[in-house]
Amino acid sequence: QVQLQESGPGLVKPSETLSLTCTVSGDSIGSYYWTWIRQPAGKGLEWIGRIYTSGSTNYNPYLKSRVSMSIDTSKNQLSLKLSSVTAADTAVYHCARENNSGWHPVELWGQGTLVTVSS
Amino acid sequence: DIQMTQSPSSLFASVGDRVSITCRSSQSVSNYLHWYQQKPGEAPKLLIYGAAALQRGVPSRFSGSGSGTNYTLTISSLQSEDFATYYCQQSYIIPQNFGQGTKLEIK
Repeated sequence: QVQLQESGPGLVKPSETLSLTCTVSGDSIGSYYWTWIRQPAGKGLEWIGRIYTSGSTNYNPYLKSRVSMSIDTSKNQLSLKLSSVTAADTAVYHCARENNSGWHPVELWGQGTLVTVSS
Repeated sequence: DIQMTQSPSSLFASVGDRVSITCRSSQSVSNYLHWYQQKPGEAPKLLIYGAAALQRGVPSRFSGSGSGTNYTLTISSLQSEDFATYYCQQSYIIPQNFGQGTKLEIK
């Protein structure tokens, strides 16, 4: 059974860089699109971006100047970096995997990790 | 960007009811439209993809329909475990935006 587990600091200071890791267990990273999605408390889902196992990326234009994603197939890990954070970046961050149906829905989700931006 | 608008934002219903949630996109998403269910404290769960394909393991009381810019999620006979928030998402164009959500509550 494939599982995704996000990890990283739960508290980040304003203007600093948020860094999260997602560890994939139960299967190799394989040939998938891996996605990061966030959700502020009590609000909806925001698509941050995705990375293919080749390393190619697509980012949300609203975050593109601050986002960086990478993938380490040898460690079965993904990473997300979001720079110059503000309180508006406080959210639960999920890593997730699209399925290979051709429709690209998000089929598999990590439980998410809460990141709070505060001094 | 493609804007996704769900209606209603909240919905009160009873066990056994048939309910429908609508998702409208600001331009055609060519059936690259998916539905998710989210319960408090949990990650979203994929229900329907490609507008009408039922994800493995999802009960058949869930169905999806639509095309172009208008899509519908229907639950044929509500069960107690279906009270949750539902989101649509398009994966036709980057960014793959979500709708704002529809909260389905017990009447």
